[in-house]
Amino acid sequence: QVQLVESGGGVVQPGRSLRLSCAASGFAFSRYPMHWVRQAPGKGLEWVAVITNDGSNKKYTESVKGRLTISRDNSNNTLFLQMNSLRAEDTAVYYCARDAYGYGPGYYFAHWGQGTLVTVSS
Amino acid sequence: AIQLTQSPSSLSASVGDRVTITCRASQGISSALVWYQQKPGKSPKLLIYDASSLESGVPSRFSGSGSGTDFTLTISSLQPEDFATYYCQQFNTYPLTFGGGTKVEIK
Repeated sequence: QVQLVESGGGVVQPGRSLRLSCAASGFAFSRYPMHWVRQAPGKGLEWVAVITNDGSNKKYTESVKGRLTISRDNSNNTLFLQMNSLRAEDTAVYYCARDAYGYGPGYYFAHWGQGTLVTVSS
Repeated sequence: AIQLTQSPSSLSASVGDRVTITCRASQGISSALVWYQQKPGKSPKLLIYDASSLESGVPSRFSGSGSGTDFTLTISSLQPEDFATYYCQQFNTYPLTFGGGTKVEIK
């Protein structure tokens, strides 16, 4: 079965960096676009970024452009989110999610990880 | 960005009740809408895709309808395990966006 396991969350000071990872198993990782979605404490869901199956195309929500970078390693079935210049408003649970379709730019989220909490605070 | 407005933001209902949640898009999105269920402390779960198609394994008491700008999620007979928060999401245009959520609570 599809498994997505995030890691790398923690407490970080404003302006610092953090790198999240998502280990995927149970499906052909290199075939699917992958996403990061976040949820601030007590708030709703916010899509953050998507990367196509081969890593050639990436899209971001406006508020993270230039600070967060999505990438993937298809040889090791791992998705990453490099988070630089972190702000208090980046505090959230970050979910890794597999797209529903094995083609295209990414549409919606058929499978989710359990999430990893990032807290940005001094 | 396309805005999705869910209503109500919360509701109280009893087991066996019929529950309807609406999602309105700020511009037409055809049928490019999905619904998720999220329970406290858990990841969201896909319920409905393409506005009205039931995801495999989801009970048939859940149904979706609509196209264009107005969409509905209906639970025909609310069960104890259905108390959760429900979100709509559009995939017609990037950035992908979610509705604000509807919390379904026990009456």
